[in-house]
Amino acid sequence: AQSVTQLGSHVSVSEGALVLLRCNYSSSVPPYLFWYVQYPNQGLQLLLKYTSAATLVKGINGFEAEFKKSETSFHLTKPSAHMSDAAEYFCAVTTNTGNQFYFGTGTSLTVIP
Amino acid sequence: ETGVTQSPTHLIKTRGQQVTLRCSSQSGHNTVSWYQQALGQGPQFIFQYYREEENGRGNFPPRFSGLQFPNYSSELNVNALELDDSALYLCASSPGPRDGSMGEQFFGPGTRLTVL
Repeated sequence: AQSVTQLGSHVSVSEGALVLLRCNYSSSVPPYLFWYVQYPNQGLQLLLKYTSAATLVKGINGFEAEFKKSETSFHLTKPSAHMSDAAEYFCAVTTNTGNQFYFGTGTSLTVIP
Repeated sequence: ETGVTQSPTHLIKTRGQQVTLRCSSQSGHNTVSWYQQALGQGPQFIFQYYREEENGRGNFPPRFSGLQFPNYSSELNVNALELDDSALYLCASSPGPRDGSMGEQFFGPGTRLTVL
């Protein structure tokens, strides 16, 4: 079975500061991992994905994530927060069959001016 | 290129009623997945359809059912509505689990269902 745990349901950072959103996964087979962003009253938008290629994955809007098998982690980072980054962020996992997706409970990011 | 669309945007039903939600997949996509997102929670996988066949199901009761049509659009049907069914229902389309674009799901804006 697969699952993800997002540590910290709410994260606040100052504009220009480092963003770090945590995700740990559990999977009995090699996982495919994703980060999605959701703005109020909108659907989810894919930020980036890990599919067993490079362990450091670069996504849109300056975000990146590093797959660490030894720590079963896939934390999302951005060097400098922007006001427009304020949103809900979800980590998700699936397997190579791609027919079951599991999302974390989300982390709400607030950016303080 | 048209993205994923869902209808209706909002819906209010009473307990015990039935509801049908609709989703049009993105052009070129043959796989549709449905999710339920309760307030303050992450999306919960309901089921996935690949080329008109159910291709995976989450932990939802049989009163949640679906269809996928030859044009790959999809419906989610929920019978005997309960208060806890109130949620945002998201549809996501993708090129397909066997088409080399693992996880490249494109989400629609969702249908907000309220059960009174």
